[in-house]
Amino acid sequence: QKEVEQDPGPLSVPEGAIVSLNCTYSNSAFQYFMWYRQYSRKGPELLMYTYSSGNKEDGRFTAQVDKSSKYISLFIRDSQPSDSATYLCAATGPEAGGTSYGKLTFGQGTILTVHP
Amino acid sequence: DGGITQSPKYLFRKEGQNVTLSCEQNLNHDAMYWYRQDPGQGLRLIYYSQIVNDFQKGDIAEGYSVSREKKESFPLTVTSAQKNPTAFYLCATHRTAGTPLHFGNGTRLTVT
Repeated sequence: QKEVEQDPGPLSVPEGAIVSLNCTYSNSAFQYFMWYRQYSRKGPELLMYTYSSGNKEDGRFTAQVDKSSKYISLFIRDSQPSDSATYLCAATGPEAGGTSYGKLTFGQGTILTVHP
Repeated sequence: DGGITQSPKYLFRKEGQNVTLSCEQNLNHDAMYWYRQDPGQGLRLIYYSQIVNDFQKGDIAEGYSVSREKKESFPLTVTSAQKNPTAFYLCATHRTAGTPLHFGNGTRLTVT
């Protein structure tokens, strides 16, 4: 079993829809949780970065972490065609990530297409 | 213009040849990382370095080597011992412990 599992999709939605992307994880040591967006042939771009449980909102994006159920979510409101990309969840923690927390464990990525 | 520069963007090599991928950063970050991305598998850690002249193996270090002679540079060599070298290679850095990783735009290596 992978430490971070992500529904690979692909996911196709109409413009304006609310998108829900989800990951589950198994390592209780994870404390930091991230969502990255990756366009084709580009490097991942950080979207959201959260510590421990709770919600974080940034514009149309909301990240949720529920450590009790080991569940990570990203919601995109009013989705746009420019949101079409691969979305990667990632996690790290003091035991998993070493002293610098840079050893991330990634999900497989979800391919999202928002059509006009 | 601050950032992480990976070069070249595309690289083609024959089987049995070693190849070196470049990663340069001008962000003054101490820690640098190399990840490999394959379709449907997410990113996997190859090597990382938290300080000059020191580096550690990641989860899939076999067939790869690195050096960290300068803070700004962390080149990755894909050796002929790497059984499946064709992949998208990503370099990342971060400022301090607990801050998020930022990635370069990658090098796509194709070995035939």
